[in-house]
Amino acid sequence: GENVEQHPSTLSVQEGDSAVIKCTYSDSASNYFPWYKQELGKRPQLIIDIRSNVGEKKDQRIAVTLNKTAKHFSLHITETQPEDSAVYFCAANSGGSNYKLTFGKGTLLTVNP
Amino acid sequence: DVKVTQSSRYLVKRTGEKVFLECVQDMDHENMFWYRQDPGLGLRLIYFSYDVKMKEKGDIPEGYSVSREKKERFSLILESASTNQTSMYLCASSLTASSGNTIYFGEGSWLTVV
Repeated sequence: GENVEQHPSTLSVQEGDSAVIKCTYSDSASNYFPWYKQELGKRPQLIIDIRSNVGEKKDQRIAVTLNKTAKHFSLHITETQPEDSAVYFCAANSGGSNYKLTFGKGTLLTVNP
Repeated sequence: DVKVTQSSRYLVKRTGEKVFLECVQDMDHENMFWYRQDPGLGLRLIYFSYDVKMKEKGDIPEGYSVSREKKERFSLILESASTNQTSMYLCASSLTASSGNTIYFGEGSWLTVV
């Protein structure tokens, strides 16, 4: 089955700096890669996603890049703010499945004012 | 706005008890999921359902079962709770079977088994 590795497990940055979180996946049939943000005590919520026919996608201060050849994708947050502090999860759909997402273990991002 | 509601936010159960976790979604979604979240392990899929009365095992189904008698409701059942099932349980739903539909999560149910 699919295996998703996520690094780093914790990341601390100063307000205004950029943050990058990286994920690798194992299943070459995966074609959908969402990122979820989970604030303390709250539910995970989708912040951005990318499909395999696209190499990069941006939404204001966040962007995701995908390298299908190397089987890795990354989340980039620019001009970080304290409200960006949360746990971020990457995911990939298993075997091109229409239903099943496999998640990484999460990255705790702390943005220091 | 999609709403996925988990009826119990915090539960404490004894070892060996039968536990029901209930989840309801109000957006006519076809797919429903149960995940388990543990520190350092991320979100792991227990079971999912793509239609009423249909279910498939996820990555960690042992010790769990599910029921989907109505489209809007998906129940997770622990037949005989054990201490290693102490965790946060997240229900989720998504719209249709086409690839890449957004998964919407509930607020989570914190289960402690003593």
